[in-house]
Amino acid sequence: QVQLVESGGGVVPPGGSLRLSCAASGFTFSNYGMHWVRQAPGKGLEWVAVIWNDGNKAYADSVKGRFTISRDNPKNTLYLQLNSLRAEDTAVYFCSRDRTVKHFLDYWGQGTLVSVSS
Amino acid sequence: SYVLTQPPSVSVAPGQTARITCGGNNIGTKSVHWYQQKASQAPVLVVYDDSDRPSGIPERFSGSNSGNTATLTISRVEAGDEADYYCQVWDSSSDHVIFGGGTKLTVL
Repeated sequence: QVQLVESGGGVVPPGGSLRLSCAASGFTFSNYGMHWVRQAPGKGLEWVAVIWNDGNKAYADSVKGRFTISRDNPKNTLYLQLNSLRAEDTAVYFCSRDRTVKHFLDYWGQGTLVSVSS
Repeated sequence: SYVLTQPPSVSVAPGQTARITCGGNNIGTKSVHWYQQKASQAPVLVVYDDSDRPSGIPERFSGSNSGNTATLTISRVEAGDEADYYCQVWDSSSDHVIFGGGTKLTVL
């Protein structure tokens, strides 16, 4: 069965960096686009970034230039490098699988919490 | 960028029908997807491509989309349906996923 397991969250001071990982299993990882979606405490879902199976990427305006999405297909792992972190980046970060062509997110991980605080 | 508008809350008695709307400019020309998120859990896809259901989702969940409004309909509402519901589309002009602000469904 499809499983997505995030890790790497924690407490980091403003301006700091963190790398999140998402370990995928139960499907052919290299065939799918993968997304990061975040949710600030008590708020709604916010899309962060996508990386397609061909390696192309797209980012939300709020994180462009600070966050980098990447993937390691042999390791079946998705990453999100978070740099220049701000208080407003505090959120649970979910990874999810994309279902082309309609681009819905059919499987989600349980999320990892990033807290930006001094 | 494209904006999706949902009512913040909807309340319904058990056994009744809940309708959650998602407004957007000519949303009827897009494919709309819906997610259910219970407290402290990850979102779960309940309707995709306007009206299709993933395996394991009860037939009580259905969707429609026309004009400027998409609707998620939950028939014979149960206490276990209490959750936040989000609509989502793909904005091909920006290559971005767009979520609505979410609707909290309360079962009275």
